[in-house]
Amino acid sequence: DTAVSQTPKYLVTQMGNDKSIKCEQNLGHDTMYWYKQDSKKFLKIMFSYNNKELIINETVPNRFSPKSPDKAHLNLHINSLELGDSAVYFCASSQRTGSVYYEQYFGPGTRLTVT
Amino acid sequence: QKEVEQDPGPLSVPEGAIVSLNCTYSNSAFQYFMWYRQYSRKGPELLMYTYSSGNKEDGRFTAQVDKSSKYISLFIRDSQPSDSATYLCAAGVGQLTFGSGTQLTVLP
Repeated sequence: DTAVSQTPKYLVTQMGNDKSIKCEQNLGHDTMYWYKQDSKKFLKIMFSYNNKELIINETVPNRFSPKSPDKAHLNLHINSLELGDSAVYFCASSQRTGSVYYEQYFGPGTRLTVT
Repeated sequence: QKEVEQDPGPLSVPEGAIVSLNCTYSNSAFQYFMWYRQYSRKGPELLMYTYSSGNKEDGRFTAQVDKSSKYISLFIRDSQPSDSATYLCAAGVGQLTFGSGTQLTVLP
């Protein structure tokens, strides 16, 4: 059973398009995250949701809009894609209870290429 | 200056060597320190974490934090080719800030 799953795994699209990435976790966690990993492997948090409520919203272009329909799902919609959006996007989850909060479990990633 | 700095390597060692991976951080408020391992084209997986200063051992892996010098270390004993991966340190309070990763290759 996959703990944190993401779809699609690969996404190749043209500039200006709108695309979505979906994430689901079956760990029973109440907190989910979106991270962006650039070509130099630098992993940077974008958003975090706790029980469907946005709790972390880093400086990210407003073309990126997360949506959490329930605590097991967190989707990322990107409007008007740009070349600089090319990266690997990781979904992660954790349980927001004491130190366990920091034990984040990552999905396999979605490799986005904008041409 | 990034809040968590990590030497990107690459680091190449022979099988059986002791590996030392290091990070420094600048935010003295950080309380939680994590090490993640990331295989090529996979998501990061949590190796171990420590709270505040001290050591933590798990099999061949030892994590060490020195808050006075803001230094985070991961030691791998008897390194194996299967340890070849990128190792990411992370630190935080409230949310995690990641280093840029050190690419390790263990040669058979």
